[in-house]
Amino acid sequence: TQLLEQSPQFLSIQEGENLTVYCNSSSVFSSLQWYRQEPGEGPVLLVTVVTGGEVKKLKRLTFQFGDARKDSSLHITAAQPGDTGLYLCAPPLGGGFKTIFGAGTRLFVKA
Amino acid sequence: KAGVTQTPRYLIKTRGQQVTLSCSPISGHRSVSWYQQTPGQGLQFLFEYFSETQRNKGNFPGRFSGRQFSNSRSEMNVSTLELGDSALYLCASSFRTGGRTEAFFGQGTRLTVV
Repeated sequence: TQLLEQSPQFLSIQEGENLTVYCNSSSVFSSLQWYRQEPGEGPVLLVTVVTGGEVKKLKRLTFQFGDARKDSSLHITAAQPGDTGLYLCAPPLGGGFKTIFGAGTRLFVKA
Repeated sequence: KAGVTQTPRYLIKTRGQQVTLSCSPISGHRSVSWYQQTPGQGLQFLFEYFSETQRNKGNFPGRFSGRQFSNSRSEMNVSTLELGDSALYLCASSFRTGGRTEAFFGQGTRLTVV
């Protein structure tokens, strides 16, 4: 079973601050996906990183896939209250695999 | 296009009862996965269906079962409900193209067992 560890588990910051959250594993992944989940809703796919060393930007969010494809990070610049939510990482869903999600990082951005 | 629809959104059941949850995937998506989300355990994989066949199953007791119909709609059933089955049940439909996976979750069904 491929396990994913996310850190930190919880983060509370002021609006305008920068932050980085991590998704680590001892296993190699062909790709990893990041989701954000808001209370009472299902997770929403943010990005898929595929190539080792890949960097993808989504407005103020920057995603990086480790060179060895065992880890990934999400950096948020100038966080806003709308960024509040649970950030989850996981390998792609379906494909006949038991998709294991990380426990997530719960982010709270105070105005 | 319409998103993933899960019904009902909320459900309260008594211990020992059974429950059936429904998931309608995005049109064209043949893979439907189910997950249980609880504060203590996070998102845990229940099972995945593809073209009416269960492709994989998580580590849940046999009380948890599912099926998929020819139109890709899926249902999951939990029999003999226990208090610990209280959770948010999420389904996701996914589609692989060009080596990439497109995945969408429904809003979930919040099940409370009393």
